Amino acid sequence: AQSVTQPDARVTVSEGASLQLRCKYSSSGTPYLFWYVQYPRQGLQLLLKYYSGDPVVQGVNGFEAEFSKSNSSFHLRKASVHWSDSAVYFCVLSAEGTGGLSGKLTFGEGTQVTVIS
Amino acid sequence: NAGVIQTPRHKVTGKGQEATLWCEPISGHSAVFWYRQTIVQGLEFLTYFRNQAPIDDSGMPKERFSAQMPNQSHSTLKIQSTQPQDSAVYLCASSRDGNSDYTFGSGTRLLVI
Repeated sequence: AQSVTQPDARVTVSEGASLQLRCKYSSSGTPYLFWYVQYPRQGLQLLLKYYSGDPVVQGVNGFEAEFSKSNSSFHLRKASVHWSDSAVYFCVLSAEGTGGLSGKLTFGEGTQVTVIS
Repeated sequence: NAGVIQTPRHKVTGKGQEATLWCEPISGHSAVFWYRQTIVQGLEFLTYFRNQAPIDDSGMPKERFSAQMPNQSHSTLKIQSTQPQDSAVYLCASSRDGNSDYTFGSGTRLLVI
């Protein structure tokens, strides 16, 4: 069985400050990890992904994430947030299955980020 | 590239009626996924097609829910005898081959009254 936990349901941060969103995963197979963002009344947009290699991956809009196998974590960071970063962020896991990714995504609970001025 | 297109964007249906949700995947994508999003349960996997064949429907409620992919250009999710607890946002996603990036549609917001 696989699972994803995002321990922070809500995070409030001041514009220009740094942001870190935590994600812990559990997977019996090789984990493939994603961060998606969801703006109000919209679908999910991919921020970044980790399949293998360098544990620090760069994404869109200045986001980056660091994979740690020893800690089973995939935390998301941004050095300086903008008001437009207010959204819900999901950590997502796809475990290895036959022929590659299992095709079935497991989502964390999501973290609501509010950027205040 | 118009992305994954889901129709309708909003649907209101009376209890006991049928609801059909449509998804048009990105052209060239052979894998299509359906997810359901609610406040209480979050995002839940429903079902997955690859090359129009059902691969995994382990998330589908055994009764009243069915999904088809009659051709490579669209998939449907049908809910028979809708119940208030079926109210949710239903998201469709596609992927080139099921092993790469997943692109989500904007979802269909279903309200059963």
